[in-house]
Amino acid sequence: DVKVTQSSRYLVKRTGEKVFLECVQDMDHENMFWYRQDPGLGLRLIYFSYDVKMKEKGDIPEGYSVSREKKERFSLILESASTNQTSMYLCASIAWGAGETQYFGPGTRLLVL
Amino acid sequence: AQSVTQLDSHVSVSEGTPVLLRCNYSSSYSPSLFWYVQHPNKGLQLLLKYTSAATLVKGINGFEAEFKKSETSFHLTKPSAHMSDAAEYFCVVSAAPNNGNKLVFGAGTILRVKS
Repeated sequence: DVKVTQSSRYLVKRTGEKVFLECVQDMDHENMFWYRQDPGLGLRLIYFSYDVKMKEKGDIPEGYSVSREKKERFSLILESASTNQTSMYLCASIAWGAGETQYFGPGTRLLVL
Repeated sequence: AQSVTQLDSHVSVSEGTPVLLRCNYSSSYSPSLFWYVQHPNKGLQLLLKYTSAATLVKGINGFEAEFKKSETSFHLTKPSAHMSDAAEYFCVVSAAPNNGNKLVFGAGTILRVKS
């Protein structure tokens, strides 16, 4: 089974702090994604990566950056956390190919005070 | 561009009665379509997917969905609801023609099952 793990289930940070969210997948997938999930809005794509050191902006990249130094690991960085970044963050990975299934991590619930 | 509209934000059914969660999509080419379920405090789990094969797709836990191109719909159904079906359901369309990379999510439908 594909396994996508995220470094933390819950995080509490203060406004202005730099925050790192880590995601690791164990199936050698090329593509990895970061979403945020907010009630009534579904999941919105922040950034995605289709190869090591490659990244593309999703629909809501402002206030975020990403890093992919190794194929299995994709990090989301909040350079200076703000209260409007309080949310659930979900990482996903997918193999290359049409109609492939995205596999999701359990999520990190981030609270910015 | 691709988009997904889930027509109901909340659906409430009694245990043992049918479930219908409605989804309309917009896509400029033949889409891949998915339904995911998220139980409280759990991750997203794939229920079923359509990838241009049979238009009636069967998934896990007795769910199925029918792709209707003429209606641009992909509604999720189940003949008889169970208490364990209470969760949030997301209809999703693939936004890339060749690699299924970017998924566009609907806003979600919360299913409540009454005993």
